[in-house]
Amino acid sequence: RKEVEQDPGPFNVPEGATVAFNCTYSNSASQSFFWYRQDCRKEPKLLMSVYSSGNEDGRFTAQLNRASQYISLLIRDSKLSDSATYLCVVNLGNEKLTFGTGTRLTIIP
Amino acid sequence: ETGVTQSPTHLIKTRGQQVTLRCSSQSGHNTVSWYQQALGQGPQFIFQYYREEENGRGNFPPRFSGLQFPNYSSELNVNALELDDSALYLCASSWGTTLMDTQYFGPGTRLTVL
Repeated sequence: RKEVEQDPGPFNVPEGATVAFNCTYSNSASQSFFWYRQDCRKEPKLLMSVYSSGNEDGRFTAQLNRASQYISLLIRDSKLSDSATYLCVVNLGNEKLTFGTGTRLTIIP
Repeated sequence: ETGVTQSPTHLIKTRGQQVTLRCSSQSGHNTVSWYQQALGQGPQFIFQYYREEENGRGNFPPRFSGLQFPNYSSELNVNALELDDSALYLCASSWGTTLMDTQYFGPGTRLTVL
């Protein structure tokens, strides 16, 4: 089992729709969770940290489920500019970031 | 822009050669982490440097080595290049070494090994 696992997609979603991604992690001792966004041939950029109580930033909502060991990202009212690869990132308790393979999202006009 | 720069942007080498990649961290940051991102994969942690000392290493062989300089810029050296070393190499800088310190990525160096 991979340490951090994501559905690679691609997800092709019409503009304005809501889309959600999940990511599972292997180590129950994991303490820090993040979503990064990576555009084609660009570097990853921090989208948001994921807090235990869940958190929201505009159209983006992140949730953590420690019991089932997964985090999720919800994007509402999707825009063309949301097209990117979304990387799930976890500190597995060893003070280094472990990235998932990423989920590719394409928003269709 | 994050203020993290990397050079060169692209590089082509042949098997067996050696390569040095460079990273200048964002002003005020004292920690640099290096990652390898193969096509279609997420970045894999290579190692981290904090105040000129290695501070953690991923599952990479010793032919991957690094340095950090007093100005906190960093180099990644790879000896005896193999075809599988072809990847995007990313550096990320941060203030501090804990994972609550946000890491800012540079644009990467794309290495092709023929």
